[in-house]
Amino acid sequence: QKEVEQNSGPLSVPEGAIASLNCTYSDRGSQSFFWYRQYSGKSPELIMFIYSNGDKEDGRFTAQLNKASQYVSLLIRDSQPSDSATYLCAVNGAGSYQLTFGKGTKLSVIP
Amino acid sequence: ETGVTQTPRHLVMGMTNKKSLKCEQHLGHNAMYWYKQSAKKPLELMFVYNFKEQTENNSVPSRFSPECPNSSHLFLHLHTLQPEDSALYLCASSQDGPNTGELFFGEGSRLTVL
Repeated sequence: QKEVEQNSGPLSVPEGAIASLNCTYSDRGSQSFFWYRQYSGKSPELIMFIYSNGDKEDGRFTAQLNKASQYVSLLIRDSQPSDSATYLCAVNGAGSYQLTFGKGTKLSVIP
Repeated sequence: ETGVTQTPRHLVMGMTNKKSLKCEQHLGHNAMYWYKQSAKKPLELMFVYNFKEQTENNSVPSRFSPECPNSSHLFLHLHTLQPEDSALYLCASSQDGPNTGELFFGEGSRLTVL
């Protein structure tokens, strides 16, 4: 059973701080890693993806991947109240036609 | 607006009713998906269609019946549901087929089974 684990939170950070969201996965053959953001009452939207070990930056967002540790994270710099949402980690395994999602971490950015 | 439209947005039905959920994507994508989202559970993939052909059926009960008449439209036919089927049903599409994680979701259909 392929699993993706996330701390459900809520994770509270003050405005302007760095928010760090973490995710571990069980399938060592996983190849693609995604972060989706879901605002309350809305559908998930893709914000980052990463395929290779290391860091990938896009604006205030940085995705980090460590395949040896089976760990992927999302850093949000200069957090804003508008970043308050649930962040879903998703993993696509080798030879798989489907994403496995975590339960999500709820982030609250306090003004 | 993600380019994926779902109707109805809310649906209440009894266990003996038959209803359908509809999804339409305006993105020219090749693959379409049905996901179920329940409280405190991860998103669960139900069905995948790639170029109108079903490629995945994740052991979904037969009371859920998908239909994909073309690459732009996807239906989920519902009959004799159970109260535990109450959830948010999300349709999604992707450009490069089912082995991509770059999904575009619709706003969902909130289903309540009485």
